[in-house]
Amino acid sequence: GAGVSQSPSNKVTEKGKDVELRCDPISGHTALYWYRQSLGQGLEFLIYFQGNSAPDKSGLPSDRFSAERTGGSVSTLTIQRTQQEDSAVYLCASSPRGGDSNQPQHFGDGTRLSIL
Amino acid sequence: AQSVTQLDSQVPVFEEAPVELRCNYSSSVSVYLFWYVQYPNQGLQLLLKYLSGSTLVESINGFEAEFNKSQTSFHLRKPSVHISDTAEYFCAVNEFSGGYNKLIFGAGTRLAVHP
Repeated sequence: GAGVSQSPSNKVTEKGKDVELRCDPISGHTALYWYRQSLGQGLEFLIYFQGNSAPDKSGLPSDRFSAERTGGSVSTLTIQRTQQEDSAVYLCASSPRGGDSNQPQHFGDGTRLSIL
Repeated sequence: AQSVTQLDSQVPVFEEAPVELRCNYSSSVSVYLFWYVQYPNQGLQLLLKYLSGSTLVESINGFEAEFNKSQTSFHLRKPSVHISDTAEYFCAVNEFSGGYNKLIFGAGTRLAVHP
């Protein structure tokens, strides 16, 4: 299909390891968003990309979190030295243009990250 | 900054009964409002949105929401629910700053429809 694709769908890793989460947005969508959904909580905004640049990194919880986007398409979210509190579902969304408020965001199915 | 409050974390209801999921937002300026639905182990899907015009908006599967500016509310309703409506529902408001649009989500309401 032509939706937002995220991989892996599930990731279990040991505390202290690094993890890399991938998001493949809908073709042609220039805006890409990462969110974190923790158990019993809503969606927490992490970072926004317009093209390859990230004008807003304000939601990244710590310097262990980083993200990049290449070719205006695929994005990776990297968590270094994972901690148990990083366990959550990480959702990616894309929209045609980040500056167009009436464009809804299209979400992937998420990556469920579990830190042992 | 915008904020969204969903007053009920869980709503149990019997099949074919009516339901209302409540949502209040903080801003008094022009807003765009959204309801997203999340089925188990899936991402969020747009259910309906209010951008402008008629304050009552409808989805294709029988849900509707009414924008009430004076009460800063955007409650979601369905007159008769089905088992398949069991899911988590998120209300969201846009926040436009720095030249881009960011969604601010509520904590979600888990709708459980029982036979």
